[in-house]
Amino acid sequence: AQSVTQLDSHVSVSEGTPVLLRCNYSSSYSPSLFWYVQHPNKGLQLLLKYTSAATLVKGINGFEAEFKKSETSFHLTKPSAHMSDAAEYFCVVTVATDKLIFGTGTRLQVFP
Amino acid sequence: EAQVTQNPRYLITVTGKKLTVTCSQNMNHEYMSWYRQDPGLGLRQIYYSMNVEVTDKGDVPEGYKVSRKEKRNFPLILESPSPNQTSLYFCASSQRPHGPGKTQYFGPGTRLLVL
Repeated sequence: AQSVTQLDSHVSVSEGTPVLLRCNYSSSYSPSLFWYVQHPNKGLQLLLKYTSAATLVKGINGFEAEFKKSETSFHLTKPSAHMSDAAEYFCVVTVATDKLIFGTGTRLQVFP
Repeated sequence: EAQVTQNPRYLITVTGKKLTVTCSQNMNHEYMSWYRQDPGLGLRQIYYSMNVEVTDKGDVPEGYKVSRKEKRNFPLILESPSPNQTSLYFCASSQRPHGPGKTQYFGPGTRLLVL
């Protein structure tokens, strides 16, 4: 069975410091993995996706994630947080079916 | 502009009063789905549709109905809403099949309050 676990429900950082949002997955097959961002009162926007090509994936707004099969992880990082990064982030896994499985979300707060 | 639209964006209703939330996409996507988002639970799939006249239950289908008469539209119907259906609802669409390269596009959300 497939599942995804976001290890932190809340993460707080200061502006200009690195961001790390953690995601572990479980899948019997080779997964596709996504990170989506949801700003307050907005829909979900795709940040980046892993589709079995390069293990280090670059997304929009300076975010990137690394697929580590040995650790079954797909953590999201950004070198320097910006106030506009404050949002909720969802890690999502899909396999060779028409189903997405969402993590429970990580709320990122950025302090000035 | 490629987009998924939902209406209404906000809705307050009372228990038992039938309502419909519309969803429309202009990207000619085969796959459409409905999710509900609740605090601490992430997004859970209610129903999905792989193409016109083809619908199937997701993880939390109880109390909901859908139809797919046209490719672009996928309305969500609550025949007799109850307070536990108070939630934030998202419609999404994508090309088929899922997997590598296929991104889901989300609507802006519909916030529903059932009194």
